[in-house]
Amino acid sequence: QVHLVQSGGGVVQPGRSLTLSCAASGFIFSNHAIYWVRQAPGKGLGWVAAIWPDGNNKYYADSVKGRFTISRDNSKNMVYLQVSNLRAEDTAVYYCARSTGNNPNYFDYWGQGTLVTVSS
Amino acid sequence: DIQLTQSPSSLSASVGDRVTITCRASQIISNYLNWYQQKPGKAPELLICAASSLQSGVPSRFSGSGSGTDFTLTISSLQPEDFATYYCQQAYNFPPTPPTFGQGTRLQI
Repeated sequence: QVHLVQSGGGVVQPGRSLTLSCAASGFIFSNHAIYWVRQAPGKGLGWVAAIWPDGNNKYYADSVKGRFTISRDNSKNMVYLQVSNLRAEDTAVYYCARSTGNNPNYFDYWGQGTLVTVSS
Repeated sequence: DIQLTQSPSSLSASVGDRVTITCRASQIISNYLNWYQQKPGKAPELLICAASSLQSGVPSRFSGSGSGTDFTLTISSLQPEDFATYYCQQAYNFPPTPPTFGQGTRLQI
């Protein structure tokens, strides 16, 4: 079965950094783009970042560009999201999601989510 | 960015009811529209992709339709486990157009 298991997260002070991890299993990892989506408490879903299967193409939402970095290690079936210079508005549950399909792509499997709380 | 507007934002219904949720895009997105269900404290789950293709394992009481800018998600006969929040998501022309989600529709008993 396909699994995405997330780790990292926690309470962090404004301006500090954190790395979120997403461990994949049950599928050919190097065939799929992976996205990060976040959800602020009581709010809706918002796309954060995406990385293509070979890791060479990375994309970011304007709100996190220059502060967040997505990466992957296809030898370990891992995706990472380094979140830096954190702000209160970055407080959210962060999900990694597998992208499948083309025109359109869609998110068919999701991690369990990890909470990042930015607070002094 | 492409804006998605769902209506209604919340909806009260009963077991056995037929329910329709709409999602309107701010520009034409062909059929590049997906629907997700999210229950409290859980990750979203894919219901429908490409506007009308039911994801494997999703009950047939769920259906989707639409193209262009107007889309609908219909639940033909509500079951107790269907009470959740539903999101539409567009995947048109990314990159460079970022993927976006509707604001969600909370379906309550």
